[in-house]
Amino acid sequence: IVLTQSPVTLSLSAGERAILSCRASQSVSSFLAWYQHKPGQTPRLLIYEASNRATGIPARFSGSGSGTDFTLTISGLEPDDSAVYYCQQRSTGWTFGQGTRVEIK
Amino acid sequence: EVHLLESGGGLVQPGGSLTLSCAASGFSFSTYGMAWVRQAPGKGLEWVSALNDNGLATWYADPVKGRFIISRDNSLYTLFLQMSDLRAEDTAIYYCVKEQGYRLPFDHWGQGMMVTVSS
Repeated sequence: IVLTQSPVTLSLSAGERAILSCRASQSVSSFLAWYQHKPGQTPRLLIYEASNRATGIPARFSGSGSGTDFTLTISGLEPDDSAVYYCQQRSTGWTFGQGTRVEIK
Repeated sequence: EVHLLESGGGLVQPGGSLTLSCAASGFSFSTYGMAWVRQAPGKGLEWVSALNDNGLATWYADPVKGRFIISRDNSLYTLFLQMSDLRAEDTAIYYCVKEQGYRLPFDHWGQGMMVTVSS
């Protein structure tokens, strides 16, 4: 299963809303997760099963979708949200998307 | 608190071998599936290999199939990745990761261990 993320880069101002897309080459049901990866840090799980926030993740981060089309929304962007965001499917095997870089202007 | 600590990385020549270890603590190790994920310089995350809670079921990404072996010792709370016939394209940071549960994502990551394949 191939995961395609868009856009490649997203440049927004603090306070704006970021909408990241992840499209699967075939249905992954709701077995879709999102991670945040900052330089020099380990990836952090944000969302699992498409829409469930992981422990300690603020409500600004929300996930939606099922089947082949998924969205990660970050509301009220903060400077600390600058990172690369990856989607990952666990429906058949394990696959990561290529990532979306979010830059805060 | 969950801790995953990798060791065993370093510089190795093409065609060489290396074994990574991951010492786990803070959770019931034998209850969870574990995996290795890597990130090559300037690239994204790539799943490498996984195994189930008892280690009897293993899976590999195509680029490493036949060259890498994943295993675990539940009595030692340790995960392993034996890497052989290493290639330049295996150069990456290797992360030891814990699965959240069956068909669930990775909820804890080690700090990562650099493996460099170069002559």
